[in-house]
Amino acid sequence: AQSVAQPEDQVNVAEGNPLTVKCTYSVSGNPYLFWYVQYPNRGLQFLLKYITGDNLVKGSYGFEAEFNKSQTSFHLKKPSALVSDSALYFCAVRVMDSNYQLIWGAGTKLIIKP
Amino acid sequence: GAGVSQSPRYKVAKRGQDVALRCDPISGHVSLFWYQQALGQGPEFLTYFQNEAQLDKSGLPSDRFFAERPEGSVSTLKIQRTQQEDSAVYLCASSLYRGSPNTGELFFGEGSRLTVL
Repeated sequence: AQSVAQPEDQVNVAEGNPLTVKCTYSVSGNPYLFWYVQYPNRGLQFLLKYITGDNLVKGSYGFEAEFNKSQTSFHLKKPSALVSDSALYFCAVRVMDSNYQLIWGAGTKLIIKP
Repeated sequence: GAGVSQSPRYKVAKRGQDVALRCDPISGHVSLFWYQQALGQGPEFLTYFQNEAQLDKSGLPSDRFFAERPEGSVSTLKIQRTQQEDSAVYLCASSLYRGSPNTGELFFGEGSRLTVL
């Protein structure tokens, strides 16, 4: 079965430190992977995607994600966290044989402390 | 408007009541999605429209759920005879493209939070 896992419900990071939000997936074939962010009282916003090409993908707000095929992971990273990065982060993978349906992780709450 | 607009933002319904949730996508967006998001969970796919055609309704949990997009723009998600398990946030998303995950990103509304008492 196809699935996405975000193993951490919450990640706490001090401002200025690097951050990582983890995502692993299980899907047959080549995955299409996505990260979205949800700020309080706001809709989900697209951050970045991996379709093909370089394993390191750069996105909005200084975020990047690394696709690792052998570990079936797509972790979200940022070199230096800001307090304003505090939000809920969702990883998603496209359902195989579908050109529109996504499976979503449960989300990880990221808290950046000053 | 500039973004995806959903109304009402909050809805409290008594069990057995019918509700209608509205989504105004970004003008010109071809694809429109409805998702259900339970507390502490990621979005769960409900249905997909390409213009006015409902191409996939496989995620609708029961025949009490019905969605339409008659003119290919505004969409309404209707839930009949609401049950407590219907309590969730209902998210609408639109995309400029057909088959958005392949090419473009989804633009989400803020959601409609439904509480069924």
